[in-house]
Amino acid sequence: AQSVTQLDSQVPVFEEAPVELRCNYSSSVSVYLFWYVQYPNQGLQLLLKYLSGSTLVESINGFEAEFNKSQTSFHLRKPSVHISDTAEYFCAVGVSEKLTFGTGTRLTIIP
Amino acid sequence: DAGVIQSPRHEVTEMGQEVTLRCKPISGHNSLFWYRQTMMRGLELLIYFNNNVPIDDSGMPEDRFSAKMPNASFSTLKIQPSEPRDSAVYFCASSPSGTSYEQYFGPGTRLTVT
Repeated sequence: AQSVTQLDSQVPVFEEAPVELRCNYSSSVSVYLFWYVQYPNQGLQLLLKYLSGSTLVESINGFEAEFNKSQTSFHLRKPSVHISDTAEYFCAVGVSEKLTFGTGTRLTIIP
Repeated sequence: DAGVIQSPRHEVTEMGQEVTLRCKPISGHNSLFWYRQTMMRGLELLIYFNNNVPIDDSGMPEDRFSAKMPNASFSTLKIQPSEPRDSAVYFCASSPSGTSYEQYFGPGTRLTVT
């Protein structure tokens, strides 16, 4: 079985400051890795994914995540956050067509 | 494309009543997933279908829950009888086959059982 740990349930950050949301996973088989974002009262949207190849993946809105196999991590980063980034962020691992999600990190941007 | 459509968006019902949640996946998607989201347990996969066939229902909490997918464009999740602990947001998601698990989520149904 696989599992995902998001150590921080809430992360407050000042606007234009950098942020890192941590994600660690456990699996006995190779996995695909994902970050999803959930804005208030909406469903989850795919932010970025790692399937293979380059360990650094980027989204269109400035987020990036790096797959680190030795540390079994897939942390999400953004060098400068905006008010519009306020949301809950979920890390997920994919095995056998199923996704297992972490418990989420609520990112709050302080003006 | 309209995306994944779920109805109703909100449902309030009394304990013991039957509840039916509906989902229309994105056209052409072969896999459909039902999730439940609560503060206590986070996001849980209840069941998923591939080509209208249930593949894994190990996440279905108990016999009060059932799900069907009679055709490629429609699925239901039924709770009978409902209990207050079933209160949650229920999401449906769909995925095209062969795309490495990228799932598209609907807006969810917020269920409140009193």
